[in-house]
Amino acid sequence: NAGVTQTPKFRILKIGQSMTLQCAQDMNHNYMYWYRQDPGMGLKLIYYSVGAGITDKGEVPNGYNVSRSTTEDFPLRLELAAPSQTSVYFCASSSPGQGNGYTFGSGTRLTVV
Amino acid sequence: DQQVKQNSPSLSVQEGRISILNCDYTNSMFDYFLWYKKYPAEGPTFLISISSIKDKNEDGRFTVFLNKSAKHLSLHIVPSQPGDSAVYFCAASGWGNFNKFYFGSGTKLNVKP
Repeated sequence: NAGVTQTPKFRILKIGQSMTLQCAQDMNHNYMYWYRQDPGMGLKLIYYSVGAGITDKGEVPNGYNVSRSTTEDFPLRLELAAPSQTSVYFCASSSPGQGNGYTFGSGTRLTVV
Repeated sequence: DQQVKQNSPSLSVQEGRISILNCDYTNSMFDYFLWYKKYPAEGPTFLISISSIKDKNEDGRFTVFLNKSAKHLSLHIVPSQPGDSAVYFCAASGWGNFNKFYFGSGTKLNVKP
């Protein structure tokens, strides 16, 4: 059981480039989330989805886009990368139900230069 | 505006002693709280949770205490072991918000042999 798989693990982007961070889960979880973690800071919610075709903004959505065409996949798109997007990105999933803990992926470390 | 705060970036304890990690929150609508543990280069993993209808939850060596009036929770680890050395995040969520959690900035625990 793979859980939540994120790719790539590391990436260096130049300013203005675009990329997609991939996230896939095999637990049939309805809920999926993208967080970013900056040094010395907590995880901040970028976008979340409660099911295929349904997405919504979190705390820090600017500069990002998401889609959810299937239950399994929740890619995060960065358009026109900026140095402020240098961070570690975590994808997570959970089943509905208040307080259900997340299953996290291992993260993608992104550097924008 | 951080709704969940962990004011101690680091904590060092001796093996066998108690580790106490603290967390404060500002939003009185939060009613479910989780602790996550994170090792380097891995995603956070769920450790223990507590609902606002309780003031204590215990799981083996780990106990979480919730003081609703003070908007404060703490994680006690007894006895501490070197394998407990990791970053610990507290997270809080309110009812009916699609399981979205707000995270603290983490406390790095070092358990010395």
